[in-house]
Amino acid sequence: AQKVTQAQTEISVVEKEDVTLDCVYETRDTTYYLFWYKQPPSGELVFLIRRNSFDEQNEISGRYSWNFQKSTSSFNFTITASQVVDSAVYFCALDDASGSRLTFGEGTQLTVNP
Amino acid sequence: KAGVTQTPRYLIKTRGQQVTLSCSPISGHRSVSWYQQTPGQGLQFLFEYFSETQRNKGNFPGRFSGRQFSNSRSEMNVSTLELGDSALYLCASSLYLGQATKNYGYTFGSGTRLTVV
Repeated sequence: AQKVTQAQTEISVVEKEDVTLDCVYETRDTTYYLFWYKQPPSGELVFLIRRNSFDEQNEISGRYSWNFQKSTSSFNFTITASQVVDSAVYFCALDDASGSRLTFGEGTQLTVNP
Repeated sequence: KAGVTQTPRYLIKTRGQQVTLSCSPISGHRSVSWYQQTPGQGLQFLFEYFSETQRNKGNFPGRFSGRQFSNSRSEMNVSTLELGDSALYLCASSLYLGQATKNYGYTFGSGTRLTVV
């Protein structure tokens, strides 16, 4: 069975601080995809990144960076120099081998204070 | 290009009633999946349709059903509503080209917030 764990329920930081959101996953599939989504108060899930199980290269996109470590089944997300607009709930998700269903973590509520 | 459109945005129903929610995917996307989001259970997969066929189903009672039309639009129906069905229902659209040549991501709509009273 697939499982995604985001142990941090809530994180509160002050603007310009760096913050890392943790994600640990479990799967028996050898091929799988991992995602991060952001959910602002409006409710829509906004896609941030997709990573497949064969690509352990870390990625940086502006202030966002992702660290995928297959050995520890982790896919952590770091926001550098956080801004108030980054305040949202962030979800890590795992796609199974069929490629048609996502298993989400519990989400991490990030609050960036001015 | 237009995103994923879910209608209605808000809905209030009474226990025992039934409800139908609609999702129009991104043009060209043939896969539509549905998720339920509640404070207690988080985001849970309901079902996924591809080319009018249900390919995958989550662990929900039979009161939850769906279908997909030839134009890829999808509807989900909940019959005999219970208070616990109050949730944000999210639809996701995906371009699916086959397992080996998958080029996909899931684009979500803004959701339908259902309140059962």
